[in-house]
Amino acid sequence: QVQLVESGGGVVQPGGSLRLSCAASGFTFSSYGMHWVRQAPGKGLEWVAFIRYDGSNKYYADSVKGRFTISRDNSKNTLYLQMNSLRAEDTAVYYCAKVFGLDDYAYFDLWGRGTLVTVSS
Amino acid sequence: SYVLTQPPSVSVAPGKTARITCGGNNIGSKSVHWYQQKPGQAPVLVIYYDSDRPSGIPERFSGSNSGNTATLTISRVEAGDEADYYCQVWDSSSDHPYVVFGGGTKLTVL
Repeated sequence: QVQLVESGGGVVQPGGSLRLSCAASGFTFSSYGMHWVRQAPGKGLEWVAFIRYDGSNKYYADSVKGRFTISRDNSKNTLYLQMNSLRAEDTAVYYCAKVFGLDDYAYFDLWGRGTLVTVSS
Repeated sequence: SYVLTQPPSVSVAPGKTARITCGGNNIGSKSVHWYQQKPGQAPVLVIYYDSDRPSGIPERFSGSNSGNTATLTISRVEAGDEADYYCQVWDSSSDHPYVVFGGGTKLTVL
């Protein structure tokens, strides 16, 4: 069925790195833009990054620019988020989300269940 | 950067109408989308492009957007509507486009 499944979360020390994955199934992954959105414990949604369907454009929130890298492998139907120089404030559930249709600036019509990243010594 | 302002909480009795606002500078010129999130679950789209409703979302959910305020209206509120609600837009006022979420509104059904 149509779904997104995140993985790769865990506990990491401040300054460490982690790579998240998002496996897509049930739709033509290579046709759609994708996002990462995070939610700190007890807090609201915060957008992290976007990548165009073909990887040609990438945008980042100021809070992660220069530390996080979004990428995708359309042959593997997988989205990635490489997170470096992690800080305590990066602790959150990380969701991947699919863009509706072929408009990069459309809404999110499919979300994964999220993976928890905890940055702590 | 563009800011979306939502009330932290809204309370309503069952069967009544709940209105959740999302304020932003000239938000009426942008497309606003609304998501519902229940505890421990991923967000779910309830309104897109200001006032359109995805299939499977009850007609009780509606949206509007004008001037500096977008509004999500839930009519005949039910206990199952209790959740956090977030508005979302794209903004292109800085050097690159980015997504903005409102701070979220907790809807409590009394």
